Order: sequence, then structure tokens, then C-alpha cells
Amino acid sequence: GNSVTQMEGPVTLSEEAFLTINCTYTATGYPSLFWYVQYPGEGLQLLLKATKADDKGSNKGFEATYRKETTSFHLEKGSVQVSDSAVYFCALSDKKDSSYKLIFGSGTRLLVRP
Amino acid sequence: ETGVTQSPTHLIKTRGQQVTLRCSSQSGHNTVSWYQQALGQGPQFIFQYYREEENGRGNFPPRFSGLQFPNYSSELNVNALELDDSALYLCASSLDRNNSPLHFGNGTRLTVT
Repeated sequence: GNSVTQMEGPVTLSEEAFLTINCTYTATGYPSLFWYVQYPGEGLQLLLKATKADDKGSNKGFEATYRKETTSFHLEKGSVQVSDSAVYFCALSDKKDSSYKLIFGSGTRLLVRP
Repeated sequence: ETGVTQSPTHLIKTRGQQVTLRCSSQSGHNTVSWYQQALGQGPQFIFQYYREEENGRGNFPPRFSGLQFPNYSSELNVNALELDDSALYLCASSLDRNNSPLHFGNGTRLTVT
């Protein structure tokens, strides 16, 4: 079945460092790909998405490109801030019959130090 | 615009009991999905409701059941609680059941002792 694999955390960076969180997927068909962020004590917020190969999603300085040839959707940010500390989830869409759901990776915790 | 709201925020139950969690969908959204997020894990799909009917289910036993009401709010019911049911339960609403972005609530933290 479809699945998502993320790099294990925690990822610890200093403020203004470059961030990469790796995400690869296994899927039949052409799913949409997402990054969600979860701050402590909160639900998930959609960070960015891409709906087809070579699309680049971007938001708040974060970017990810849908790479069909490597089945990847790595999250990047050029200069992280302390406020970016959170758990990041990569996800893909899975549609079966009329049902639509997201399949999530296990999450990567990011800790940014001042 | 009111987002997705869930109640209660925290709940403690004893093994074998039953629990009901509630979710109000975002205005204009007719589809609600429920996810279970165990500690340190990604959310797992429980089921989806569209216009008051179950519209897809994940690998959860029948003791997990749900309802959607005419105003598109929803309930998740879990019978015969087990210790492994301890998790954050997330509700998400969307404009429709096909490929619309999911808007998540802050979740209900359920602890089973």
C-alpha cells in the first residue's frame, strides 16, 4: 500500500541555519503531497502542498518540490528561526472509491536554538 | 470564519468504558475525517463522513464508530476502551470528500488507565 517515510528526529539547528527534512513516498498513481506542521499542544496546520510532478510548494520560507523520479518531497528552508521549532509531517493523498484520506509519515521534530 | 473545534480537550477514562468525542466542522465544510495520533507517531486515518454517511474507513475495529449530523458536526465513539486507545484524536473538515485540503482541529487528548 501507499506509505511515507521521513527522516528520524530530532533535528537540532542553530538559528539561521539551513534546514532539510527528507521525505520519500511509495504510491500507486499520482498522489498530492503535503507538509503539515504541529506546534506543541495544537493540531496540524497545512504548511505547503504540491499536486503534480515538478510542482514546488512554498510557504513562510519553506519549500518542497514533488520529485517523481526519486519519489521524494524534501522540505527545505534557507534560514530557520526559533519559532520554527515544531514537529513536521510529510503526507500523501490516498483516494479509494469515493473516500479520500491522508497517509502521514511518523513526523520529524525540529528544535531551533537561539 | 470559525475553524474546526473539538471537545473536550482532555479526557481520562478507565479501560472498558465508552467515550464520545465531538467535532464542529469549519463553516461551509460538508466532510469530516477522524484521525488517531499515538504519542510520537503520525496521524492514522479512522474514517470519513460525508453528508451524514460513512465514506471510507481505515484499519480500526468496529468499536470505533461515528456520526455526522445535518449541520455537518460529528462524533467519534469508542466502546470497550483499551489502554492502546490512549492518543490524540484529531478531527479534520474539508469542503468536499475529493481532494480538498483538510483543516484540522486541535484534537482531544484521551488517556485510558
